[in-house]
Amino acid sequence: DSGVTQTPKHLITATGQRVTLRCSPRSGDLSVYWYQQSLDQGLQFLIQYYNGEERAKGNILERFSAQQFPDLHSELNLSSLELGDSALYFCASSVDRAYNSPLHFGNGTRLTVT
Amino acid sequence: GNSVTQMEGPVTLSEEAFLTINCTYTATGYPSLFWYVQYPGEGLQLLLKATKADDKGSNKGFEATYRKETTSFHLEKGSVQVSDSAVYFCALGLSESNQGGKLIFGQGTELSVKP
Repeated sequence: DSGVTQTPKHLITATGQRVTLRCSPRSGDLSVYWYQQSLDQGLQFLIQYYNGEERAKGNILERFSAQQFPDLHSELNLSSLELGDSALYFCASSVDRAYNSPLHFGNGTRLTVT
Repeated sequence: GNSVTQMEGPVTLSEEAFLTINCTYTATGYPSLFWYVQYPGEGLQLLLKATKADDKGSNKGFEATYRKETTSFHLEKGSVQVSDSAVYFCALGLSESNQGGKLIFGQGTELSVKP
């Protein structure tokens, strides 16, 4: 058990809809990362937050947004969903913002857009 | 740009065979290198890491050496077990100008070990 909790585990929704994925980081970790895993794109870095502030941005679409709250949990919002957004979304946390700190991953949220 | 390339899978081995999973990278600056493992239905777990050239990371019988001259970080294990069956990801860690950080992952290599 990594200590990172993601909810929900599965999400099925229709095109055009909006969903929110939630992540609670490991106790004591200040950084939260979001990744998208799909068969064709592999693991893609989306965004990183450190202690409530955005710190690094990857291939995150404009339809997607995220935030980290004062209690350090994070939410990833996906809107105007398309079939191609179907993927496994992982949250990971680390103790600090350093690029060489190990990441601790949750078990992911599987999103299916129909 | 920055990228990681792994050998394609799936790799199928018999128990007690020697394992090598190749990983090469392209990066600016001085990245850290990682191997993560993903068991079915789970998130990724850190297997080992190396933070500078010639460092050797090791864990659970797996090891990998950071080779700057060949830009490689190949994963090896002398004798695999059925329980090693999983997907293995090579990754490089980069600093960001705004003091953040991110990992760039390879596409993953599925390993299947048969008894």
